[in-house]
Amino acid sequence: KAGVTQTPRYLIKTRGQQVTLSCSPISGHRSVSWYQQTPGQGLQFLFEYFSETQRNKGNFPGRFSGRQFSNSRSEMNVSTLELGDSALYLCASSAGGSGANVLTFGAGSRLTVL
Amino acid sequence: DQQVKQNSPSLSVQEGRISILNCDYTNSMFDYFLWYKKYPAEGPTFLISISSIKDKNEDGRFTVFLNKSAKHLSLHIVPSQPGDSAVYFCADSNAGGTSYGKLTFGQGTILTVHP
Repeated sequence: KAGVTQTPRYLIKTRGQQVTLSCSPISGHRSVSWYQQTPGQGLQFLFEYFSETQRNKGNFPGRFSGRQFSNSRSEMNVSTLELGDSALYLCASSAGGSGANVLTFGAGSRLTVL
Repeated sequence: DQQVKQNSPSLSVQEGRISILNCDYTNSMFDYFLWYKKYPAEGPTFLISISSIKDKNEDGRFTVFLNKSAKHLSLHIVPSQPGDSAVYFCADSNAGGTSYGKLTFGQGTILTVHP
């Protein structure tokens, strides 16, 4: 069974640019969540999508957005990049039902903003 | 809002001995706590969870203990192996509410197991 796939794995952008990251969940998983990992703030929740609808959102500015397609694949976009957006962006998928909310994570997309 | 704290940034243990990783939380309203392990250049991997109605859960070498009165949980790894060397995160899952897909993570503890 294929795991969660994130692309690209590494990318470098400059301030003011925008970036789009992609995530393919485990087959059959309908929930996709996004997290930001930085040395100072740790792992922080960005948002979650289920059946193309955003069900939950963390405390990030509107520059951070996402969407989910009918095949459950998801993208997140960060506009007007700032130096502080440099981070590892992790995508996770789950079946999305009740229970322990066990998420399966991808390897992440490492974004560097210069 | 729930806060999850791992007060020990690092832990060093000899192979074969017990590793004990600790986690404190502030909000008594939760459904599950989960432990994840993370190797460099990989995403976190789920290890074990514990429900709020239990005080212990075991899975092979891994046991999680929950002390609700102290708002404290711990992960025991026995015996520790060099391959266990990684960053360990505890995370709160308030799955019963509207916290879809949201885990609140601690800052992590770096475990090093020496041969």
